[in-house]
This record gives sequence, C-alpha cells and structure tokens, in this order.
Amino acid sequence: DIQMTQSQSSLSASVGDRVTITCRASQSIRNHLSWYQQKPGKAPKFLIYAASTLQSGVPSRFSGSGYGTEFTLTITSLQPDDFATYFCQQSYSPPWTFGQGTKVEIK
Amino acid sequence: QVQLQESGPGLVKPSQTLSLTCAISGDSVSSNSAAWNWIRQSPSRGLEWLGRTYYRSKWYNEYDYAVSVKSRLTITPDTSKNQLSLQLNSVTPEDTAIYYCARAPGYGDYGMDVWGQGTTVSVSS
Repeated sequence: DIQMTQSQSSLSASVGDRVTITCRASQSIRNHLSWYQQKPGKAPKFLIYAASTLQSGVPSRFSGSGYGTEFTLTITSLQPDDFATYFCQQSYSPPWTFGQGTKVEIK
Repeated sequence: QVQLQESGPGLVKPSQTLSLTCAISGDSVSSNSAAWNWIRQSPSRGLEWLGRTYYRSKWYNEYDYAVSVKSRLTITPDTSKNQLSLQLNSVTPEDTAIYYCARAPGYGDYGMDVWGQGTTVSVSS
C-alpha cells in the first residue's frame, strides 16, 4: 500500500496568516492527490483534486501544488472558517490511502 | 445536487454482522461515470478506504484491499433502491468507527467529491 505522511499533526496560526501543509507519498503518485477539509462532527469536504485543481465552490485562497511524492496545500490569508483538520489522499493505486491529518488551530 | 445518506444499526455485538446502506439521490448507483465508495474513520486508524463498486457495462465490486477487513467485507449495489450496501462479518471492537459512503467521479482516480454525513457504529457487548 502507498503510505501518505503529513509531517505536521497540528499547527497554530492566526487569521490572515499564510499556511502551508505538506504531504508526502511513499512512492510516486504522479498528480493523483486530493485534499479534504474536515470540521468536528462533519464529513470530509473535497477541496482539491489532481494535486492542484480547485473543486467548484472552494475559495481561491486555497491552492495545491506538487507532483510525484511531495505535495503542499496552501491557504493564503487564513479565515476563521478555515480552522479545521486537513487530509491528503492518494488515488493512484488502490487501496486509496489518506494522510493522518493536519489540524489547523487558532494561535 | 447529489446527496448521500448512510443508515445502520448504531450498535452491533462482537462476532455479529454489520449491515449499512447508503441512499443515493441526484445520481445513479448504475452511473457509467462514477464509483461508489465506503470509507471509515476511527481515532486509531484514521481515514480508511474500504472499497468501491462501479458499473461499466458490468458490475465491479472491489473490496478485498484493506487487511483489517479482508475476507469479512462485501460491498454491493442495490439498483432497485438506488443505494449502496456494506456488509461486514464477524465484527470486533476494532470495527468501531464512523462509516461514510462517498461518490468518486470516474473510477475514483481523482478523489471523492460527495460524502454522506456518516453513521456511527459501535461494536460492544
């Protein structure tokens, strides 16, 4: 199975900050990488697919980049609604696997 | 607008069979352009993809990946009710989790775009 590693389990940031979350795959997954946002008690919300394509309706302050094994999710100018846990997920080779999540907390 | 709604028993005794359903509205389980997935989430395992079913001139049911549920899990479509079903045999407390169904455009090789709200399952005597 492909292992997905998010090196930061949590990070603290303030409203207006630029936040970068990283995700690493144990082997190349080309651009088959998605990002999700999850708030307590809710299902994950689909943010980005194909490493850098924003899902319809997702604010443009979210962006993704990367290819192969290294990926990043960037939030420019963090908003109060963005405090949540973010997961990456590979869909290059089944079983699809997720990172363990990065919780963005209020500083 | 596509919506998914999971339902299930909530509490299951160890060694029993867990059965869940996912009602689909706004799309079809028989769609040629989507795959239908089950995922679960627990504090110990995180998010764990369990498997999928999809129709491409015939049905493909793929759920023999996760070691944790290998040989115990079945995922099937119910076209008469437009829903997705999950059956997990011989449950243990380690199967306690929130279970989600999700749609993936295409075969799922670019993520899962619509999720149900999840149903909580506890395995306990």
